[in-house]
This record gives sequence, structure tokens and C-alpha cells, in this order.
Amino acid sequence: EVQVVESGGGLVQPGGSLRLSCAASGFTFSNYWMSWVRQAPGKGLEWVANIKLDGSERYYVDSVKGRFTISRDNAKNSLYLQMNSLRAEDTAVYYCARVGRGIDAFDIWGQGTMVTVFS
Amino acid sequence: SYELIQPRSVSVSPGQTARITCSGDALPKQYAYWYQQRPGQAPVLVIQKDTERPSGIPERFSGSTSGTTVTLTISGVQAEDEADYYCQSPDSSGTYWVFGGGTQLTVL
Repeated sequence: EVQVVESGGGLVQPGGSLRLSCAASGFTFSNYWMSWVRQAPGKGLEWVANIKLDGSERYYVDSVKGRFTISRDNAKNSLYLQMNSLRAEDTAVYYCARVGRGIDAFDIWGQGTMVTVFS
Repeated sequence: SYELIQPRSVSVSPGQTARITCSGDALPKQYAYWYQQRPGQAPVLVIQKDTERPSGIPERFSGSTSGTTVTLTISGVQAEDEADYYCQSPDSSGTYWVFGGGTQLTVL
């Protein structure tokens, strides 16, 4: 079964750090771009970051540039999101998503992991 | 920054046709994609490249495009179609991806 499973969410104070992980299975991970998408409580979806097959290209939404880093380990079929200098507005469910072949969109989604930044 | 604009809500009776629009300046140049998100669940891709239906998506879901507006049409709406629907597309550079604000579809 093709799936991605996130982990690593939790409670953190403003200014703190957190590292999210995403374990992929059922497909050749190294053949796909991967992404993180978030959704604040009661709000819409927001694209956060994309990473190319080999990690050589990475793109971020402006609001997280310089604070978040997307990375991947193809040998471990894993995607990561290192989040530093967290703010209250980063509170959201974070989804790991696979970018479909030949499309600029997400064809496989995880169930998400909740990140809460509180003071 | 680039924006995709959707109506906040659409309401239809069962069996009728629901149309949800999404407007953005780059849509004549970039494909649009549509997702369905039921409460408490992850989104599901229902339309890709403006008009294509991914495998497993019912035929009642269709997409169309005209200039800077794309439209998701759900024909013969069923109770199970009640959900939030989001359009998504890259900006004109293709580098940054954007979601519309989402449309809540209510089946009366």
C-alpha cells in the first residue's frame, strides 16, 4: 500500500524547535518530489515546502524561509521538516504529501501531525 | 504574493449540480488542481491539470477552465460530497504553490 506517515508533532514554546518526520512506503521514494503542507485550526491549506528527488532543489513559502528546512534521506525513505524559531502562527496540522508524477500537485497525503506553539 | 480566490460557501440540494470557482491571474498559464477534504480527514485530489479525473474519482466530478477562472463541477450531488474543496496551482514562475481559501459545500 502506498502511504506516508508523519510523526514528531507536539507542544513547543515560541522560539523553540521541532523536527517532523515522514516515513514513506509502497513506492520508490527517490523517484518523487515531496512536500509539506499545513493547516491551522479551522483554516485552509497552506503549502509550506517542496524538495526535489535528490534534495538538490528546495522551495519554501515566504513565511517560513530562514526558519524551516526541508530535507530527505532516500536510503531511509524519509522526509523531514526542521522547524526553528517557532511562532504561534505556526500552530497547525502538518501534512507530508507526495507530488504526483507529471503534475504540480499532491497525490498522496499522510494523516498529519499536530504542532502547537504556545506560551 | 499570488492568490487564488474561491467563494467561501456553496449550497445545493441532493441531485443538483454544484459549481465551485477559483480565480487567479496565472491560471491561463498554470494548471489547476482540486482537492476534497472531509472533516477530520486528509485532502484527496479529485481533479488534476484543470480537467482530468484521477483514478478512482467518480465521474460526477469534472473540471473546466476559462481564462483566469477554473471551475469544479459536481453533477448529481450526493450527501457524501459535503466537504471543503480547495483549488491549488503554482504561481506564474512555477516555483511557489498556492491554495485557494477553500469552499465549504453544503448539501441541503
